Amino acid sequence: DAGITQSPRHKVTETGTPVTLRCHQTENHRYMYWYRQDPGHGLRLIHYSYGVKDTDKGEVSDGYSVSRSKTEDFLLTLESATSSQTSVYFCAISESSSNYGYTFGSGTRLTVV
Amino acid sequence: TQLLEQSPQFLSIQEGENLTVYCNSSSVFSSLQWYRQEPGEGPVLLVTVVTGGEVKKLKRLTFQFGDARKDSSLHITAAQPGDTGLYLCAGSSGSARQLTFGSGTQLTVLP
Repeated sequence: DAGITQSPRHKVTETGTPVTLRCHQTENHRYMYWYRQDPGHGLRLIHYSYGVKDTDKGEVSDGYSVSRSKTEDFLLTLESATSSQTSVYFCAISESSSNYGYTFGSGTRLTVV
Repeated sequence: TQLLEQSPQFLSIQEGENLTVYCNSSSVFSSLQWYRQEPGEGPVLLVTVVTGGEVKKLKRLTFQFGDARKDSSLHITAAQPGDTGLYLCAGSSGSARQLTFGSGTQLTVLP
């Protein structure tokens, strides 16, 4: 019972194509986050959600959009994938405010060729 | 933008040695968390500290939050190969709805 699952785990796509990554939770947590992790940069926030249809931008949101139509699902879309978006993407959930810690998914490794 | 700097970036030690990892910022945080990440997996929360000067222990791991709530340290006693991983600190400003992460310390404990 992972509580949070990401799909797909791995994806290779071509430059210019749209890509959607999915994060699904079974914890009914209010907050959901998308991060990317790159060597030397740690985890950088792309977008986050604090409720259904309530989302906000993070520090590296250019080229990405998100949607949250249900509590359990948070989708990250790369409108037109570029090589600079090759990265490992992590989804995280939080029950309350950020003081209480995040539970992370296992990540999606995306390669844009 | 709040920044968290971790040091050292890489650390390779022998089994049984002690080590300390540091997390520093010029900003004040309402809480600070430590995570450990293993290859191919997401970070896993180890501890949250919220009070200046607070010390928490988790078996051989000791976490301290600075008095001014701008820095934190993680000390591991008698390191074991199972401690190998990427250690990340993350801070919350309280009013923010998201965490700021440090760039991490890659620890390797050799048998």
